[in-house]
Amino acid sequence: DAKTTQPPSMDCAEGRAANLPCNHSTISGNEYVYWYRQIHSQGPQYIIHGLKNNETNEMASLIITEDRKSSTLILPHATLRDTAVYYCIVRVARETSGSRLTFGEGTQLTVNP
Amino acid sequence: DAGVTQSPTHLIKTRGQQVTLRCSPISGHKSVSWYQQVLGQGPQFIFQYYEKEERGRGNFPDRFSARQFPNYSSELNVNALLLGDSALYLCASSPWDRANEQFFGPGTRLTVL
Repeated sequence: DAKTTQPPSMDCAEGRAANLPCNHSTISGNEYVYWYRQIHSQGPQYIIHGLKNNETNEMASLIITEDRKSSTLILPHATLRDTAVYYCIVRVARETSGSRLTFGEGTQLTVNP
Repeated sequence: DAGVTQSPTHLIKTRGQQVTLRCSPISGHKSVSWYQQVLGQGPQFIFQYYEKEERGRGNFPDRFSARQFPNYSSELNVNALLLGDSALYLCASSPWDRANEQFFGPGTRLTVL
């Protein structure tokens, strides 16, 4: 799996967009970008994933650069409940049998009132 | 639908003892993975089981073992506990066709004294 690099911490004002970057310059053509978050004392939560096209769901948007060497997770209107550690994971999609996720240290996002 | 459940929530053991942690996946999920999360770090992969067979193992000693039952629930066993085994143990399940979209339980907090 390709290595990812994330800033250790970020701050965001409540109601504003939170843009969390991730660098994955060694990503392979068949590797997807996955984002998870972990709110304090809870298990990680899947947010979104993508291959090369931008993706959006009810939680967030994922913007992947054209060369796929970096991506940005966007929380359009951050709330205090979005305060969490956000993990960017690059992984070959395995449709069957399951998969092991390699978590780095992630980005601690703090949303301030 | 119920999410991934784990038991017990908290556990205190002494060095040298053995511990068994339990996990029930989301109904319909046949893949279960176990992760260890030491304070201040991201989760580290321990085991993955699919259809009752071990499909992956992380870099953990043989003191760690696991199994999956016919109903897809799983147990993680750790023998000869060390102080360094103190951690949050997370279980995750995933659907067969979206293996990297893992649903995590709340974890079991193990303290070894």
